[in-house]
Amino acid sequence: DTGVSQNPRHKITKRGQNVTFRCDPISEHNRLYWYRQTLGQGPEFLTYFQNEAQLEKSRLLSDRFSAERPKGSFSTLEIQRTEQGDSAMYLCASSLPRAAAGSPLHFGNGTRLTVT
Amino acid sequence: QQQVKQSPQSLIVQKGGISIINCAYENTAFDYFPWYQQFPGKGPALLIAIRPDVSEKKEGRFTISFNKSAKQFSLHIMDSQPGDSATYFCAAIIQGAQKLVFGQGTRLTINP
Repeated sequence: DTGVSQNPRHKITKRGQNVTFRCDPISEHNRLYWYRQTLGQGPEFLTYFQNEAQLEKSRLLSDRFSAERPKGSFSTLEIQRTEQGDSAMYLCASSLPRAAAGSPLHFGNGTRLTVT
Repeated sequence: QQQVKQSPQSLIVQKGGISIINCAYENTAFDYFPWYQQFPGKGPALLIAIRPDVSEKKEGRFTISFNKSAKQFSLHIMDSQPGDSATYFCAAIIQGAQKLVFGQGTRLTINP
């Protein structure tokens, strides 16, 4: 399977703990995105990388959130001091360089985070 | 305003019928409108997409109709099948920007 891979698929943690998720994009895709999806809602943009550079961050990404993409390959999303409101599906997507608007995003199957 | 409004929230259609999902947007700078299909436990998958210079695009049983003046677009699923049962999201993006703006989603159920 050469699609976007996310690990772990599920994570249950206690409030206040730190968690880290990993995303492996499609190999030839240089753009990588993180989205968050809560139950019954559409995905919401969190942040975007082009190669190793983080070029845009949403206001949804509080100081407790940090994302990295070392060497422009896989990416990690860390949430520090988790809160119950962080419970959601965290989706990673990747795409080719967009010569014009419309290069499709390919999503992984997400990491479902439950904060108890 | 970067918002996309989607309706209905849920839809039940008999097998063989036509499923219609509607979306409206406000920002005229949007220039690419994809539809995504999501099954439980899976990430969204691109289904079909359209640009505003085209009024209709058809791929198999799936058709997007686009009304630029009304700032509305819709997904039509012809001959709906039980395997089409999923959540559908419309989305929009501004040229040069990097983030897709998604609608709230429509849970489609096709009854056999």
